[in-house]
Amino acid sequence: SQQGEEDPQALSIQEGENATMNCSYKTSINNLQWYRQNSGRGLVHLILIRSNEREKHSGRLRVTLDTSKKSSSLLITASRAADTASYFCAIDIIQGAQKLVFGQGTRLTINP
Amino acid sequence: GAGVSQTPSNKVTEKGKYVELRCDPISGHTALYWYRQSLGQGPEFLIYFQGTGAADDSGLPNDRFFAVRPEGSVSTLKIQRTERGDSAVYLCASSLFPGGNTGELFFGEGSRLTVL
Repeated sequence: SQQGEEDPQALSIQEGENATMNCSYKTSINNLQWYRQNSGRGLVHLILIRSNEREKHSGRLRVTLDTSKKSSSLLITASRAADTASYFCAIDIIQGAQKLVFGQGTRLTINP
Repeated sequence: GAGVSQTPSNKVTEKGKYVELRCDPISGHTALYWYRQSLGQGPEFLIYFQGTGAADDSGLPNDRFFAVRPEGSVSTLKIQRTERGDSAVYLCASSLFPGGNTGELFFGEGSRLTVL
């Protein structure tokens, strides 16, 4: 499968702690994106990192990309109860005809 | 509207019936995508439109599924002879066509289809 594989499948931490989610993939990519989904409905784009970038920040989010290991990580610092959601990585495959391939997701629970 | 709009939000139908799901993308977005998501899974690609034409329909599971975008804006996903296995949330997304790589997708809230 070309899709990203997230790890862990589920993560439960205390409010204020940092949450780290990982994504691995098998093919060459143009970019990798992270999305958030609440309650199984619409996904919201969080961050896009291009294949020539190694790290990117957006507020409390930090994303890294290692193309040699074909892996990415999403770090959420100082977590809040409102961060409880499912997080998906999605890859834009080179020569993949402009479509994103999503992984299975990590279900993050922040305990107050 | 400001975002991607999908109707209906929920659809319950009986096995064998025909259903249509509608997507109204963000104005000016030339690229439109349909995904399907089953419980506990990630979104699964179905079809991608660039303007009026289906640029990639490789994700449609069989010939019971068909999608159109006749004027390059609103799209309709059509499912014939529905089966219980078609039950899922159908997600629509749109994006500005970047002329190369796939950029950020803007998703609607989805249409939850239940086939009894």
